[in-house]
Amino acid sequence: GAVVSQHPSRVICKSGTSVKIECRSLDFQATTMFWYRQFPKQSLMLMATSNEGSKATYEQGVEKDKFLINHASLTLSTLTVTSAHPEDSSFYICSARGQGPYVAFFGQGTRLTVV
Amino acid sequence: DAKTTQPPSMDCAEGRAANLPCNHSTISGNEYVYWYRQIHSQGPQYIIHGLKNNETNEMASLIITEDRKSSTLILPHATLRDTAVYYCIVRADNYGQNFVFGPGTRLSVLP
Repeated sequence: GAVVSQHPSRVICKSGTSVKIECRSLDFQATTMFWYRQFPKQSLMLMATSNEGSKATYEQGVEKDKFLINHASLTLSTLTVTSAHPEDSSFYICSARGQGPYVAFFGQGTRLTVV
Repeated sequence: DAKTTQPPSMDCAEGRAANLPCNHSTISGNEYVYWYRQIHSQGPQYIIHGLKNNETNEMASLIITEDRKSSTLILPHATLRDTAVYYCIVRADNYGQNFVFGPGTRLSVLP
């Protein structure tokens, strides 16, 4: 299947700093990418939908000024957690539609720990 | 909200078939059934999907009832590495539509 790569896989940052997470579709072009967050023992929750060349669409309750999403090319979307706080510690996962019309492929996830 | 219902957990003996059920009684005519799994601390992995016909690939088989209100994912010879949370997702064929994850089924393959 298609490959979606996420980087970094794990990051620890100090409270108040910003962290950028990259999501790349390695062998296909993705006009739409999705960002999810997953807390321990919970399922994935959609944060935002990222469209290439336009502003992201955020789910209700997700602060767009805190979670900055940029989708500047057909193969790269970034999520920046600004002024991170311990409650932002979570597992962040991106996904992108593959070349087939129906299937989405997911990155390996980024474990963010804010101390 | 997820449109599917799955048992929270199941056990399966190594080497035996694992049959994971999913109820999607409100599925619409243009909605597909997808299965993903998530191994601990990894992103979800695509397994299989189907509309109304049964499907098989190198990982699993998907059996969809004739009325499409339920389906079963079959792992023919479960191994310890198949221990994961399995998600059944119903989704229309819309490029921009995301995948909504429910709690899934935690499958434990036992030696």
